[in-house]
Amino acid sequence: GAGVSQSPSNKVTEKGKDVELRCDPISGHTALYWYRQSLGQGLEFLIYFQGNSAPDKSGLPSDRFSAERTGGSVSTLTIQRTQQEDSAVYLCASSPGAVANTGELFFGEGSRLTVL
Amino acid sequence: TQLLEQSPQFLSIQEGENLTVYCNSSSVFSSLQWYRQEPGEGPVLLVTVVTGGEVKKLKRLTFQFGDARKDSSLHITAAQPGDTGLYLCAGEGGANNLFFGTGTRLTVIP
Repeated sequence: GAGVSQSPSNKVTEKGKDVELRCDPISGHTALYWYRQSLGQGLEFLIYFQGNSAPDKSGLPSDRFSAERTGGSVSTLTIQRTQQEDSAVYLCASSPGAVANTGELFFGEGSRLTVL
Repeated sequence: TQLLEQSPQFLSIQEGENLTVYCNSSSVFSSLQWYRQEPGEGPVLLVTVVTGGEVKKLKRLTFQFGDARKDSSLHITAAQPGDTGLYLCAGEGGANNLFFGTGTRLTVIP
C-alpha cells in the first residue's frame, strides 16, 4: 500500500484478555516505531525497530507489552492481560531509515483500543 | 525518556488572530520536528529544524529552534480554521529515537 496500514482500527476487549495490533509499514522503510496516545494528548514512545538491529524496548510500560517485527516488515504489538489503563490509540510509524538521516516519520491512522 | 513540555495545552482563538506555541525541554536535541494531527489520523510532519537559532517559515507558520537546542516555538500568523488540530513537537534523542511532546490542541473559530 501507499501508506502505513494498521489493523484493527478499533478493538474493544474485556479486562484480562490478550490483544494483538498489526502494523504494515511503507514498503522499503527500515525503521518502525510504536507509540501510544491517550485522550488526544502527546505520544508516548513504546518501541523502535531499525533494520536487523536489536529493538529499543525502553518505552514499553510493563512486561505485559511486547512487539516483534517479522522479516523486517510487518510488526505486531501484543498486550497481555489487558487493563483499563491500556485503553488508548496505538500509533505505528515507519521511516526510510534512521531519523537522524531521513527525518520524517510516516504514521498510520492508529488502532483504538478500549478495555472494558 | 526525554521530556518535552508544550504550552499552552489548549488554545482557542478567532480566525485572523496570531498565536505562538512553545516546546521546552531540559535535554539537548540534535534536531526537532513539528507535526500536526487531525482527528482520526496520524501526525503529519510540518518541519524539521536542526541548527540552534534556526528559523524556518512555511507560509503563515514560523518555526524557531532555540540557540541551545533545548526548545522551539511555532508562530502562526492570521490563523485560519484549517489550522485547527493537535500540534506536536518531537525531538531526536540518542539512538535515532524520536520523543514527542505533550501537545497543543488549537481550535480556530471562524
